Amino acid sequence: DAKTTQPPSMDCAEGRAANLPCNHSTISGNEYVYWYRQIHSQGPQYIIHGLKNNETNEMASLIITEDRKSSTLILPHATLRDTAVYYCIAASVQGAQKLVFGQGTRLTINP
Amino acid sequence: EAGVVQSPRYKIIEKKQPVAFWCNPISGHNTLYWYRQNLGQGPELLIRYENEEAVDDSQLPKDRFSAERLKGVDSTLKIQPAELGDSAVYLCASSRQQGRAEAFFGQGTRLTVV
Repeated sequence: DAKTTQPPSMDCAEGRAANLPCNHSTISGNEYVYWYRQIHSQGPQYIIHGLKNNETNEMASLIITEDRKSSTLILPHATLRDTAVYYCIAASVQGAQKLVFGQGTRLTINP
Repeated sequence: EAGVVQSPRYKIIEKKQPVAFWCNPISGHNTLYWYRQNLGQGPELLIRYENEEAVDDSQLPKDRFSAERLKGVDSTLKIQPAELGDSAVYLCASSRQQGRAEAFFGQGTRLTVV
């Protein structure tokens, strides 16, 4: 599975859009990009995933570049409850069963 | 629907003692995972079950760790004997079927070995 690179930490003001970047320059054609987040003292929570098209659900939007070497998770109107560690994972459907977590990005939403 | 339930929530034991963690996955979820998460790190997979079969246990330290999933539902993870380095959060997760990206995690068991 492809390795991903994320900034270790980010800050965002409450009510603004939080844009979390992820680099996955070695991603292969059959690998999806998955995003999970982990709020303090809880288990990880699935957010969204995509292959090459942009995706949106009730939690977030996922923008994947045309060359698929990077992506951005967008939380459109961040709230204090969005403070968490966000993990970007690149894996094939087969590999998703292993979900190799890196260290993620610690996102802090400030009032 | 009820989420993944783990117990106990916290456990403190002395080194060399045994310890067991229990997981009840979401009803109907065939795939069950155990992960270990060290402080400041992302979770690491220990073992994955498809129904009652352990299909990936390559990361499980088999000299002291064991797991079982009787009848393909609940699962237990055991450590015997525990070492100081086993202090971590042990997470259980389940998903509906093989290949599904969306895994649901429990709150975990925080183990402290003293």
